[in-house]
This record gives sequence, structure tokens and C-alpha cells, in this order.
Amino acid sequence: EAEVAQSPRYKITEKSQAVAFWCDPISGHATLYWYRQILGQGPELLVQFQDESVVDDSQLPKDRFSAERLKGVDSTLKIQPAELGDSAMYLCASSFLSGTGERGQYFGPGTRLTVT
Amino acid sequence: KNQVEQSPQSLIILEGKNCTLQCNYTVSPFSNLRWYKQDTGRGPVSLTIMTFSENTKSNGRYTATLDADTKQSSLHITASQLSDSASYICVVSAYANDMRFGAGTRLTVKP
Repeated sequence: EAEVAQSPRYKITEKSQAVAFWCDPISGHATLYWYRQILGQGPELLVQFQDESVVDDSQLPKDRFSAERLKGVDSTLKIQPAELGDSAMYLCASSFLSGTGERGQYFGPGTRLTVT
Repeated sequence: KNQVEQSPQSLIILEGKNCTLQCNYTVSPFSNLRWYKQDTGRGPVSLTIMTFSENTKSNGRYTATLDADTKQSSLHITASQLSDSASYICVVSAYANDMRFGAGTRLTVKP
């Protein structure tokens, strides 16, 4: 069964350093999401792409976070500089719109970021 | 205030017992409601998705119910297994690209 791929699975970085996460969605899924999940809480949407275009980045801290999906396939999320409060799980998800109008959303395994 | 509230925050049950998790929402308009299971350190996996007209949907030992009038949903787990230990997240969509996540219920199944 096709899966959303993410790398790395774990990342430890010092504050003020730059860090990048990569996501490869399920083939054919036009919509891609990046979420941040703090331990014990639900995921929080950071950015949503439709193909290569940003649909929603209203919750993305743009002073330090950036995201791109240049060819409308895989995507990169970058943090520069990292802060202690950025320690969290970063989840990527992709979705498709079925013939019935339902949107099936599939999550990757996540990247666990620890900022020291 | 979160538009999707889940209860209880955490729950411990013995293997083989049943349990019910609750999800109340204020999201409007309503498109669909999903329940996800998230194992520790993993991404969420979809269990069920229900639209306005659906009252109940089952996936093996998992049964979700929806009352769109009272804006409440429940996830019932029958004959729990140790592998059911996970967080269960309720997600409500107002329209196709909008998903509001609950904080989740942390379920622990003990032998």
C-alpha cells in the first residue's frame, strides 16, 4: 500500500541552527499538508499546498519557517533559526478528492524534532 | 476555544473490556467527521469517516456514531486489545480543505 514518506524520522539540533524536513506524498495526491504536533495535543496545520501553490499558510510563522513544493510533488519544510519551542512532531499528510467528494487524508510517520 | 473537544483526556482499561470515547464539536457548517488512531511516535491513521447523513460506521472492533443535531460523536471500542493503546483523534471538517483537530484521548489498555 502506498505511503507518505518523511525524512528524517528524528532530528536533534541546537537552537539558532537551521533544520529541514522532507516529505514525499502518495503518488497522484495533489494536496499536501504540513502539521506540527506538540506532545499531548492534536496536530496544528502549518501550511497546505494544492499542487505547487500554497492554499493556506496563515498559521506558519513566516519569520522563521518556510515551505516549498516546487514541482507539485515532494515538499520541504525549513526552520531557520530553530528555537526551543519548535520541539515537536512534524507531520506531513497528502490527500485526494474521491468521486463522492470525500477527501481521504493520509499521514506520514512524522519527524520528531528536538531543539536543545 | 477549540472547536473540537474530546473526552476523556486519558483512559485506562483492562484488556478485553469495552470503552467509549467522546467528541463534541461546534464546527459549522459541517462536512464530515473522522476518527484517527495515532500510535506513539507515528502519524495518525484513519479509522472512520462520516458525513452528515451517516449515524454510525464500523471498522472491525471500532464503531463510530454521529449525532449531527447535537454535534456529538463517539468512538466505541469492543473487546479491547493491547494494540489499541494509542491516541484517538477526532477531526471535523467544515468544508473540503478545512480540518479541525481535537486534542485526542490517550487510551491505555492493560493486561
